Amino acid sequence: KQEVTQIPAALSVPEGENLVLNCSFTDSAIYNLQWFRQDPGKGLTSLLLIQSSQREQTSGRLNASLDKSSGRSTLYIAASQPGDSATYLCANYNQGGKLIFGQGTELSVKP
Amino acid sequence: NAGVMQNPRHLVRRRGQEARLRCSPVKGHSHVYWYRQLPEEGLKFMVYLQKENIIDESGMPKERFSAEFPKEGPSILRIQQVVRGDSAAYFCASSPALDYGYTFGSGTRLTVV
Repeated sequence: KQEVTQIPAALSVPEGENLVLNCSFTDSAIYNLQWFRQDPGKGLTSLLLIQSSQREQTSGRLNASLDKSSGRSTLYIAASQPGDSATYLCANYNQGGKLIFGQGTELSVKP
Repeated sequence: NAGVMQNPRHLVRRRGQEARLRCSPVKGHSHVYWYRQLPEEGLKFMVYLQKENIIDESGMPKERFSAEFPKEGPSILRIQQVVRGDSAAYFCASSPALDYGYTFGSGTRLTVV
């Protein structure tokens, strides 16, 4: 049974810092991995999708990497801003299509 | 190009009533998924549907919950005889195919009083 763990559960940093969010999973037979952002009381916004043949994806200040053999993914946020404050969720799925989510990392960026 | 549309955004039901949650996927997406987020808990898979077919309902409670995705119209998640423990945010996601990632709606927040 696939389990997804995100560390840390919460993180508070001053504005401008670079930071890394970690995601690990127990079953390396995954298809794709997707990072999302969730603001309080809102839905999920897709940030990055790493497809099965890829090792990383970049979008603006965000970079996500995937190492299937070790069961890990990291989300790197450069030059953090207060607007980055949200809960970040990683989720993976196998060919059955079912997304398995971690519990999330709650990020707070202080001005 | 509208995203996944869910309605209502907020729904209040008394114990024992029925709740009907609607989800219109992104145009052209044939895969629909429902997830539930209980207070202070993570997102849990409920059901995966394609047009007129339930593909995987392993996350659905055995009783009172049902889902459909008809040939025409939105996908519906139905909860009969709601109880307080059903209070949660229910999210719908859609995808054109397995390799293309998921787009989520804004969710329906169900409160059972």
